[in-house]
Amino acid sequence: AQSVTQPDIHITVSEGASLELRCNYSYGATPYLFWYVQSPGQGLQLLLKYFSGDTLVQGIKGFEAEFKRSQSSFNLRKPSVHWSDAAEYFCAVGLNTNAGKSTFGDGTTLTVKP
Amino acid sequence: DAGVTQSPTHLIKTRGQQVTLRCSPKSGHDTVSWYQQALGQGPQFIFQYYEEEERQRGNFPDRFSGHQFPNYSSELNVNALLLGDSALYLCASSSIRGKSGPDTQYFGPGTRLTVL
Repeated sequence: AQSVTQPDIHITVSEGASLELRCNYSYGATPYLFWYVQSPGQGLQLLLKYFSGDTLVQGIKGFEAEFKRSQSSFNLRKPSVHWSDAAEYFCAVGLNTNAGKSTFGDGTTLTVKP
Repeated sequence: DAGVTQSPTHLIKTRGQQVTLRCSPKSGHDTVSWYQQALGQGPQFIFQYYEEEERQRGNFPDRFSGHQFPNYSSELNVNALLLGDSALYLCASSSIRGKSGPDTQYFGPGTRLTVL
C-alpha cells in the first residue's frame, strides 16, 4: 500500500525567504504525485502534479516541485515566500489509473513572518 | 463554471444519529470521491463513485455509505454516529470516462461535522 510522509509538521519562514517542504512517498509502481494547499476552513487547492516526463514541475503561485525517484521524494519549493502563502500544505500520491483514490500525508503548516 | 459544491457547510449531531452530506461535482466530471479529514491530519479516502456505483473503498466501516445520482451528484451517509466521526468531510470530483491515464481531482470546501 502506498504511504506519504511529510517530516516537518510546522515550518516558519520570513517573508521573501526561500521555502522547501519535504515529501517522501512509498509506492510500488510509478507514482503520481500531487501537492495541495489548504487555507483555514477551506478545501484543497491543487498546486502542481507529476505524472511523467520532466522531473521538475511548475505549478501555480510560483511553486515548483522536483521528483527524485532514487530518494522517493517530491519536495515543494518556492524561491520567495509571500505572507499569503501561509497555509497547510499536503503531499499526496495517487493510483496510476485513478487520481480519485489518493493517499495524503499529514501536512506541513507554513507560518510566514513579516 | 461552478466548481465542486458541498452542503451543508456545518453540521452538529449527537452520538447515534445519522447524517447525510451532499456534493455536486465540477461541470463535466463523472466521478466523485469522499474523504474524511480529522483535525491535524491529512484527508483519508472513504470511497469513490462512478456510474452510480461504489468503485473503490478505503478502510472505513459499513456505517459509511454513499450514493451517486444520474446527474453525477453524490451523497455520503453516516449511521450510528460516534464522537470520532467529527471531522471535515471533503468531496472531490474528477473524470474517468475516456481517460487512458490519471486525471486531476478538484475538491469542494468541505462539510464540518461535529458529533456531541
